[in-house]
Formats: sequence, structure tokens, C-alpha cells
Amino acid sequence: AQSVTQLDSQVPVFEEAPVELRCNYSSSVSVYLFWYVQYPNQGLQLLLKYLSGSTLVKGINGFEAEFNKSQTSFHLRKPSVHISDTAEYFCAVSEFPGNQFYFGTGTSLTVIP
Amino acid sequence: EAQVTQNPRYLITVTGKKLTVTCSQNMNHEYMSWYRQDPGLGLRQIYYSMNVEVTDKGDVPEGYKVSRKEKRNFPLILESPSPNQTSLYFCASSFPGAVGTEAFFGQGTRLTVV
Repeated sequence: AQSVTQLDSQVPVFEEAPVELRCNYSSSVSVYLFWYVQYPNQGLQLLLKYLSGSTLVKGINGFEAEFNKSQTSFHLRKPSVHISDTAEYFCAVSEFPGNQFYFGTGTSLTVIP
Repeated sequence: EAQVTQNPRYLITVTGKKLTVTCSQNMNHEYMSWYRQDPGLGLRQIYYSMNVEVTDKGDVPEGYKVSRKEKRNFPLILESPSPNQTSLYFCASSFPGAVGTEAFFGQGTRLTVV
């Protein structure tokens, strides 16, 4: 089974500053990688996903992530955060397309005005 | 609109009183699963189902049951709830075998067992 590590449980950042949320996974076999966002009192919504090809993936709301196979990492970045980005962010991995998703413990991003 | 629908959104119950949380998806997905979300622990899988009449245990199945009699529905059953099952529950569905498919989540059910 895969193991997903989100290194930071809480990340405070000032508005308009850049942010990076870190994610590492355990296996070097081919995987599919996802970032989800959970706004307060809501379900999980897909931000972006990596399947193959270009290692830089762009998602919604100005987020992007970079896949690094040698470091088994999939860090999420945004160059300038907004108050509305305050949420919980989850990294997820799947070895087989469409099933058995493994989630990290989440990173709580708080954007400070 | 493609969606996963859970009911109820909020539920307070007493220890030992059987309850069912319903989950329904309208995307014809074969794979469905239940997760619980607890602070500091992220999402942990309770049960999953690869197709109708095919279910299997996830990482934390104790105290839960599921059934999959129809493709669209995947209810979560707590026969005798206990306070340690107080949590936020999510149902998810996806289409196995399709490269790039992600999991689609319901809005969540916040369960409190007193």
C-alpha cells in the first residue's frame, strides 16, 4: 500500500505571498497524483492531477504542482495567495487508475490579511 | 449535474442506536468508498466496493457495515454506534480503469455519538 506524507500540518501565510505545500509518497512505481481542497463545511474538490507527461501541472484557482519522480514528491504551489484560499489541502495517490486512493493527513492553509 | 449525494449532512445519535448514512452517485461509477476524517489523521478508508455485490474492508472497518445492491447506492451502516465513531464521513466514487479519473466526493456527514 502507498503511504502519503504531507510534511506540514499547518501553514500560515500572508495574503499575496507565495506558498508551497509539500507532499511525498512512498512508492516509485507508476502512480497517479492528486491534490484536493476542502473548504470549511464542504466536501473535497479536485484542484489538479498528474497522470503522465509534463511534470508541471496547472490546476484551478492559480495552483500548480510539480511531480518529481526521483524524490517521489508532488508539491503544490501558488505564487500569490488570496484570503479565499484558506482551506484544508489533501494530497492523494493512486496506483491503479480510478480506485484505491491513498490520502495524506492534510495541510491547513491559513491566509492572513 | 454529476454528483455524489450523502444524507444526512448532520446527525446526532445515542450510543447503540443503529443508523444508516446513505450515499448515491449519478455517474455510473463502479468504484465507491467510505472515508472518515479525523483531525490530524486525514482521510482513512472504511470500506470500498469495486462493483455491485463486491465490497471489501479498508483501513478502519471495525464497527461499520456496507452494502452494494445497486451500482448507484452505497450505504454505510453503524449497527451499534459508539462515541469513538464521532467523525466526519465522506462517500466517494470513481471509474476504475479510466486513466486520469479522480475520486468524486459527497458533501460529508458529520456524525456525533453521545
